[in-house]
Amino acid sequence: EDQVTQSPEALRLQEGESSSLNCSYTVSGLRGLFWYRQDPGKGPEFLFTLYSAGEEKEKERLKATLTKKESFLHITAPKPEDSATYLCAVQANQAGTALIFGKGTTLSVSS
Amino acid sequence: DVKVTQSSRYLVKRTGEKVFLECVQDMDHENMFWYRQDPGLGLRLIYFSYDVKMKEKGDIPEGYSVSREKKERFSLILESASTNQTSMYLCASSLALRLAGEELFFGEGSRLTVL
Repeated sequence: EDQVTQSPEALRLQEGESSSLNCSYTVSGLRGLFWYRQDPGKGPEFLFTLYSAGEEKEKERLKATLTKKESFLHITAPKPEDSATYLCAVQANQAGTALIFGKGTTLSVSS
Repeated sequence: DVKVTQSSRYLVKRTGEKVFLECVQDMDHENMFWYRQDPGLGLRLIYFSYDVKMKEKGDIPEGYSVSREKKERFSLILESASTNQTSMYLCASSLALRLAGEELFFGEGSRLTVL
């Protein structure tokens, strides 16, 4: 069964304290792995897509990496505005499959 | 700018009522989705549609139906609302499932409370 597990469930950081969020997945052939950011009361907002092991993508203080079993979202020198829930999702290789989401990591950054 | 619009941000309904949640996208996307999001359970797929008048069951279709009469509009219907359907409902769209790595664009969500 295709599955996505995110850890930790919640993470509290001080402003400037770098850290990483983990997304472990099992899927029968990976078509793509996605990272989203969700603010309270809002819909998820797309951040990155990763397609193959070894791939990396960056956006401001965020960097996503991918291996054959997991993905990391690295947050460098976070600011309070980075506080949000970060969701990971995978899409399997079979035609017509929808995304499978993890439960998310809620990040709180205090100044 | 891409836009997915959900008709109602907040709804309060009574048990047994029929509920319609409407979603419109302006990106000419082929695929549309309905998810529900609950604390501790994450996003769970209810139904999706990859073409007009086509629909596929997701992981939790029981108690729901959908309608897609036009490409831009995807409706979620709760035939007889129950308290366990109290949730945040999220509509999303994507260009085409058959392409690699097509990201979803989400609406703002509809928070439904069933009393």
